[in-house]
Amino acid sequence: EVQLVQSGAEVKKPGESLRISCKGSGFAFHNYWINWVRQMPGKGLEWMGRIDPSDSYVNYSPSFQGHVTISADKSISTAYLQWSSLKAPDTAIYYCARSLIAANPGVFDIWGLGTLVTVSS
Amino acid sequence: EIVLTQFPATLSVSPGERATLSCRASQSVGSSLAWYQHKPGQAPRLLTYGASTRATGIPARFSGSGSGTEFTLTISSLQSEDFAVYYCQQYYNWPPWTFGQGTKVEIK
Repeated sequence: EVQLVQSGAEVKKPGESLRISCKGSGFAFHNYWINWVRQMPGKGLEWMGRIDPSDSYVNYSPSFQGHVTISADKSISTAYLQWSSLKAPDTAIYYCARSLIAANPGVFDIWGLGTLVTVSS
Repeated sequence: EIVLTQFPATLSVSPGERATLSCRASQSVGSSLAWYQHKPGQAPRLLTYGASTRATGIPARFSGSGSGTEFTLTISSLQSEDFAVYYCQQYYNWPPWTFGQGTKVEIK
């Protein structure tokens, strides 16, 4: 089965660091871009950025550039999203999503179930 | 950045009725528009892309149309499992790829 399995929910304090993960299975991970999408409480979906696991090249949304880091380890079919210093507004559900095919990289055909990140003092 | 505006924000529909959701782009996106269905606690699900191409396994009651700046998702006969939030997304211009704010389809 083609799937993306995300790491579990996290509760952190402001200023703490965090890395969440997204592991692909059932497909050739290095052949697909992996995207990260944020959903803040009661809000819609926001694309944060994407990584090509074959060469670890990353594009960020201007809104998230400098605030998060996207990385991947193709040897274990896993992508990561990390923060060096969390803030309360980072509280959200974070989804990873696979890009459909090379011709339509902006279309996301497989999604993870999401990781809830709660930042509170 | 291309802004997508969805309307209505909430659509109340009875099971078996037709639902029509709209998405307007702030500039032309050609046919580079996708629709997703999202239920609480679940992963978003790709419905259509290329404005009108149904994704694998999506029932024929879901149909997308439009081009340029005006797009529509039609659900021909609503089933109980179709009550959810629906998002349009453009992938014509990036970064960033952008989503609309969503339309909630609720039971009337």
